[in-house]
Amino acid sequence: EIVLTQSPASLSVSPGERATLSCRAGQSVSSNLAWYQQKPGQAPRLLIYGASTRATGIPARFSGSGSGTEFTLTISSLQSEDFAIYYCQQYNNWPPYTFGPGTKLEIK
Amino acid sequence: EVQLVESGGGLVKPGGSLRLSCAASGFTFSNYNINWVRQAPGKGLEWVSSISTSSIYIYYADSVKGRFTVSRDNAKNSLYLQMNSLRAEDTAVYYCAVAAAGTGFDYWGQGTLVTVSS
Repeated sequence: EIVLTQSPASLSVSPGERATLSCRAGQSVSSNLAWYQQKPGQAPRLLIYGASTRATGIPARFSGSGSGTEFTLTISSLQSEDFAIYYCQQYNNWPPYTFGPGTKLEIK
Repeated sequence: EVQLVESGGGLVKPGGSLRLSCAASGFTFSNYNINWVRQAPGKGLEWVSSISTSSIYIYYADSVKGRFTVSRDNAKNSLYLQMNSLRAEDTAVYYCAVAAAGTGFDYWGQGTLVTVSS
């Protein structure tokens, strides 16, 4: 099973600033990594797949990078609606699909 | 518009059973692998099970293997999860999620809450 770790566990950022979230895999997942956003009481929403490809309808302020074991989700110029929990997921070696524990992005 | 609607959740006693359903619309259901993912209250996401397009390939998380059974009916655009021998630790919101090839889980339902408690 591939273990994903995310850092930081929580992050406080002011609206308009940039947020950088990290995800590390216990072994290489190539570029088969996705990022999801989840708001309270809602289902997760796919943001990024293939480590760097934005899903349909996702604003350009969301960008992903990395490959192998180190990945980053960057949100430039944070909007109020971006404050949520973000999860990474690997789909390179499954079963099982695995998710990271999440990063909670909070308003500063 | 893609829609996934889960149902069948509720309160059940430890050792009991429950059958969840996921009704799909807005896409060609039979062309996609479908997954169950759960989220315990206040916790992260946990993949539970996957079923391939024609039900040939079925996989389970170790935590539910032998107790849960996934199935699908492509004629009815529906996915099911039969959950037996339920435990308190199975308490969670259960989501169905569509997996296109190479993209992660593209679409999710709104979830259905399963509570296992005496």
